[in-house]
Amino acid sequence: AQSVAQPEDQVNVAEGNPLTVKCTYSVSGNPYLFWYVQYPNRGLQFLLKYITGDNLVKGSYGFEAEFNKSQTSFHLKKPSALVSDSALYFCAVRSGGYNKLIFGAGTRLAVHP
Amino acid sequence: NAGVTQTPKFQVLKTGQSMTLQCAQDMNHEYMSWYRQDPGMGLRLIHYSVGAGITDQGEVPNGYNVSRSTTEDFPLRLLSAAPSQTSVYFCASSFRRTSGRGDNEQFFGPGTRLTVL
Repeated sequence: AQSVAQPEDQVNVAEGNPLTVKCTYSVSGNPYLFWYVQYPNRGLQFLLKYITGDNLVKGSYGFEAEFNKSQTSFHLKKPSALVSDSALYFCAVRSGGYNKLIFGAGTRLAVHP
Repeated sequence: NAGVTQTPKFQVLKTGQSMTLQCAQDMNHEYMSWYRQDPGMGLRLIHYSVGAGITDQGEVPNGYNVSRSTTEDFPLRLLSAAPSQTSVYFCASSFRRTSGRGDNEQFFGPGTRLTVL
């Protein structure tokens, strides 16, 4: 069965420092992977996706994600964190059909001034 | 464009009551879906639709019904509310598959917070 894990409930980063939010996955076949972000009292917003090809995927708001097939990981990264990046981040994997996603439990990112 | 809209924003029900959560989108998206979000569990797919007149079950469909009579609207019905259905419900929509580009991004509504007593 397809699954996705986000091992950290919360990540704390100082503004200006690089950030990483971790995600590992388990799928049969080629993975379709996604990152979404949820700001307080809002719906989720799409950040980026991996289909195939380059292992470094660039997305919205300066975020990027690194796909690593051997480690079955898809970590979200940003070179310099902003306070406004503070939000709940979800990793997701496609399971069983078009846009049928399994989401991780989410990682809360807190960026401190 | 208003995007994806959901009503109501908040609702409190008693066990056994029924209600309909409304979802509408004005982006002419073929694909629509309903998720529930529970603490520590991420989002789980309840039902989805690939176009008007076509619906199917997701991961947690029990206790919920859907219909899709128009492209724009995708209501979610709770037939007999139970405390286990206390959750935040999100509706999402996207274009259908575009060849070679994988799954299209989903646009989410602001959510409905439901409490069942």
